[in-house]
Amino acid sequence: KNEVEQSPQNLTAQEGEFITINCSYSVGISALHWLQQHPGGGIVSLFMLSSGKKKHGRLIATINIQEKHSSLHITASHPRDSAVYICAVIDRDDKIIFGKGTRLHILP
Amino acid sequence: NAGVTQTPKFRILKIGQSMTLQCTQDMNHNYMYWYRQDPGMGLKLIYYSVGAGITDKGEVPNGYNVSRSTTEDFPLRLELAAPSQTSVYFCASSTGGHGAFFGQGTRLTVV
Repeated sequence: KNEVEQSPQNLTAQEGEFITINCSYSVGISALHWLQQHPGGGIVSLFMLSSGKKKHGRLIATINIQEKHSSLHITASHPRDSAVYICAVIDRDDKIIFGKGTRLHILP
Repeated sequence: NAGVTQTPKFRILKIGQSMTLQCTQDMNHNYMYWYRQDPGMGLKLIYYSVGAGITDKGEVPNGYNVSRSTTEDFPLRLELAAPSQTSVYFCASSTGGHGAFFGQGTRLTVV
């Protein structure tokens, strides 16, 4: 079993829909990242969370430390949100553990 | 504060050639990593380092070597390049409580 599991693996939605991507992890962590990677592009850190909730524009990230679960939400999705979204945790030994990513495709 | 800097951004190698991918961070992070990402796939750990003078193998170390003589630098060496090493390579660094930072990637093609 992977230490970081993401769901869904692939998601196609219509422009304007509310998007949720989930991440569950099985290790103790000091922080969790939500990362975005456009095709052929670099990796951009959208959020770093250690508790609670963060919001940036149309993006919202939440984390429940007790349940070892985090969600990334996109409101009013747009085709430019199409990308791979990766959940990555920093464990207690400072190692990065990546999820396999969620490939999001927003149709106009 | 430049974060994590990777060079080069693109490279084409012939089979059997060697090269070094450079990675430098200016945040005094202890942990540094090299990952490769094949088309349509997730990130796979090649090597990592917990501090200067210490390196460890990740999932896919064969065909690569690393060194960590300073906290700032973590170069990845490819000896005898093979087509299977065609990939995008990412360097990252991390430190407890302050998260992880990523280089922009190196797109390597071996022909």
